[in-house]
Order: sequence, then structure tokens, then C-alpha cells
Amino acid sequence: AQSVTQLGSHVSVSEGALVLLRCNYSSSVPPYLFWYVQYPNQGLQLLLKYTTGATLVKGINGFEAEFKKSETSFHLTKPSAHMSDAAEYFCAVSDLGAGNMLTFGGGTRLMVKP
Amino acid sequence: EAQVTQNPRYLITVTGKKLTVTCSQNMNHEYMSWYRQDPGLGLRQIYYSMNVEVTDKGDVPEGYKVSRKEKRNFPLILESPSPNQTSLYFCASSLDRGNYGYTFGSGTRLTVV
Repeated sequence: AQSVTQLGSHVSVSEGALVLLRCNYSSSVPPYLFWYVQYPNQGLQLLLKYTTGATLVKGINGFEAEFKKSETSFHLTKPSAHMSDAAEYFCAVSDLGAGNMLTFGGGTRLMVKP
Repeated sequence: EAQVTQNPRYLITVTGKKLTVTCSQNMNHEYMSWYRQDPGLGLRQIYYSMNVEVTDKGDVPEGYKVSRKEKRNFPLILESPSPNQTSLYFCASSLDRGNYGYTFGSGTRLTVV
């Protein structure tokens, strides 16, 4: 069985500061990893994904994430936070051996202070 | 515009009254899925479908039914809703087994009183 842990249900940063949202996963097979963003009253939007190849993945809106197999981590970063980044962020893992199961973490709400 | 459309967006109902939440996608995706979102629990998969007439249970299928008679539609049926099914529901679709990433609908907020 696969699982995803997002450390910190709420993260607060100042505008212009580094954003770091943590995600650790467990999976019995090489995983596909995703970050999604959810703005208020909206569905989830794919930010970026890792499938194979380069372990540093760039996504939309200046976000990137690095797959570290030895640490079973897929942390999301952005060098400089913007007010419009305030949202809830979900890390997810897909296990090819489990049908179409996409397992989500509990989410991290990012707040950006002026 | 490529999208997943859910209806209704908001629904308040009473315990035991059957309801259906519709989901339709216009991207010719094979894979469709239903999730419920609860605070602190993230999204949990209810049911998924790999193609027409092929459905399977996710993590939390109890109290729900689905059908996939056409590729574009994947309705979620609550035969006898209960208050513990009060939640935010999302339908999602994907070109394949979700590895390209899902496209999500805007959500249905269901309250069962």
C-alpha cells in the first residue's frame, strides 16, 4: 500500500520569501509523484509531476520539486512567494501496481503575508 | 474548452433520499474517478473506472455506487445518504492511468441533514 505524508497542515511565509512544502511517500514500486494546487472554491490543478528521468521537475507558476529516492521525498519549492500563491497544496503518488489509485496527502494550506 | 463538469455545485439533502451527482468530460479520457475531500484527510478515492462498463472500488466505496455506460459520463449515486457523507466531492478524468495527471471538476459540496 502506498501513502503520502505532508508535514505541516499550515505554512505561513512572507511575500518574497522561499516556499518549501514537504512531502514524503511510501510505495512498494517506483512511484509517479504529483503536486496539485487548490484555490478557494475550485477543483485541483496539476502543478507538476515526476514520472521518470530528471529528478528536478519544474512546474507552472515558478514551482519546482525534486524527487529524492533515498529520502522518499518530493518537496515543493518556489524561490519567492507571491500573494497569489496562497492556496492549498496536495502531494499525491500513483502506484502503477494498484489499478488507477492516486493517493493524496492531507494537504498543506499556504498563507502568504504581505 | 477541455473540462470536467460536475453538477450540482451545491446540494443539501435529507438522510435517506437518493441522489445522483453527475460528471461529464469532453476530452475522450478513458479513466475517470470520484474523490471525496474532508479536512485533514486530503482526497480519498471512492470509485474509479478504467473504461466503459469497467469500474472498481477505491479507498472509501461504502454507501456509493457508480456506473459507466458511456465514456464521457461517470455519475456518482448515493442510494441512501447519511450525514457522514457530508463532504466535498470531486470527479476527475485522465488520459490513461492517471500518470499524466488528472483533470478535476470544480467540486460538489454535499450536505446531508
